Amino acid sequence: QKEVEQNSGPLSVPEGAIASLNCTYSDRGSQSFFWYRQYSGKSPELIMFIYSNGDKEDGRFTAQLNKASQYVSLLIRDSQPSDSATYLCAVTRPYEKLTFGTGTRLTIIP
Amino acid sequence: GAVVSQHPSRVICKSGTSVKIECRSLDFQATTMFWYRQFPKQSLMLMATSNEGSKATYEQGVEKDKFLINHASLTLSTLTVTSAHPEDSSFYICSARDWTGGALRDTIYFGEGSWLTVV
Repeated sequence: QKEVEQNSGPLSVPEGAIASLNCTYSDRGSQSFFWYRQYSGKSPELIMFIYSNGDKEDGRFTAQLNKASQYVSLLIRDSQPSDSATYLCAVTRPYEKLTFGTGTRLTIIP
Repeated sequence: GAVVSQHPSRVICKSGTSVKIECRSLDFQATTMFWYRQFPKQSLMLMATSNEGSKATYEQGVEKDKFLINHASLTLSTLTVTSAHPEDSSFYICSARDWTGGALRDTIYFGEGSWLTVV
């Protein structure tokens, strides 16, 4: 049974601070790792993807992957109220479906 | 960036009728698309995997005769909810796999979703 676990939340972070979201996965064969943001009533939006160990930065977002520890994280710098959403960690092998974590609800406090 | 478009975004249909939802990949070819359903405040539930030119693979418990999936081209998959009932009212979301970067660099994008209300 492939599993993806996320910090349960909900997570509240002051505006301007760093939000840290964590995810562990059980399948060592996973090759692609994604972070999606989902606002209430909307579909998931891809915000970061990472394939190799290390850090990947895109604007205020940094994804970190450690395959040895089976761990992937998302850092959001200078958090804004618009970052308030549910964040979904998802992993997959080639040709297979996504396995999602249960999601972490993030609230940015003005 | 890559975009997946879904249509319609909202649809209301009468009980017993059928409704079709389209999912298009706009700037990449998608040999694989996925269809999900999500009820309010609940997790995404994968309904089926749609492969271009072949039959869809349905998840356990999903009625294939009720939820017809057709992936007739590399950019279009459709979900038809047949003989819809009020309990089919939900948020239906497609996603598409972009292989442009290779099998080990795939990216999966979601469409905007379609709200179905059966009255």
